[in-house]
Amino acid sequence: EPEVTQTPSHQVTQMGQEVILRCVPISNHLYFYWYRQILGQKVEFLVSFYNNEISEKSEIFDDQFSVERPDGSNFTLKIRSTKLEDSAMYFCASSDDINTEAFFGQGTRLTVV
Amino acid sequence: GDSVTQMEGPVTLSEEAFLTINCTYTATGYPSLFWYVQYPGEGLQLLLKATKADDKGSNKGFEATYRKETTSFHLEKGSVQVSDSAVYFCALKGTGGTSYGKLTFGQGTILTVHP
Repeated sequence: EPEVTQTPSHQVTQMGQEVILRCVPISNHLYFYWYRQILGQKVEFLVSFYNNEISEKSEIFDDQFSVERPDGSNFTLKIRSTKLEDSAMYFCASSDDINTEAFFGQGTRLTVV
Repeated sequence: GDSVTQMEGPVTLSEEAFLTINCTYTATGYPSLFWYVQYPGEGLQLLLKATKADDKGSNKGFEATYRKETTSFHLEKGSVQVSDSAVYFCALKGTGGTSYGKLTFGQGTILTVHP
C-alpha cells in the first residue's frame, strides 16, 4: 500500500540552527501539506502546496519557514533559524485531489534545545 | 473561519463498552468530515470519512454520520477493544472558495480501554 514517508523520525537541533524535514508523498498525489503538533495540543495546519507553489499558509508559517519540491518525489520543510517553540511533531501529508482524504506520514519529532 | 470541537477527554472505558466521542463543527459551504486515529508512537491514520450530509462513514466497527442539521459527526463503536486505545481526531476539509484542501482538526480525544 502506498504511503507517505518522512525522514528523519527524530531530529535534535540547537536553537538558531537551520533544519530541513523531508517527505516523500504518495507518487500520484498532487497536493502536499505540512502540519505540526506541539506535544499535547491539536494538529495545526502550516502550509499547502500545489503545482509547485504555496496555495495556502497559516499564521504560523512565517518567514522562518519555507517549502520546496526539489525534484519529482521529495517535499521539504525548512526552518531557517529554529526557536525553542518550534519543538513539535511535524507531519507531512498528501492527497490526490483537493477534496479527498489526506494521507499522513509517521511524522518527524523536532526537538530544539 | 472553520473550526472543530471535540468532547473533552480523556475517555476511559472497559473492554466491550459502548463508545461515543462527540464532534461538532463550524464551516461555510459543505465540508468533508473525517476521523483520524493516532496510535501511541505513530502518525495519523484515516479512520473514516463522510463527504455529504447524511453519509455514514464506517471502518473497523467505528461509525459516524454527517449531520448537517446539528453540524455534528459523532464517532461511535458498539464494543471497544484494548487495541482501540489511541487519540482520536475529528477533522474537516472545506470545499471550494479559497480552501486548498486544508484540514482543520479538533483537539483530539484520548481513549484508554482497560481489559
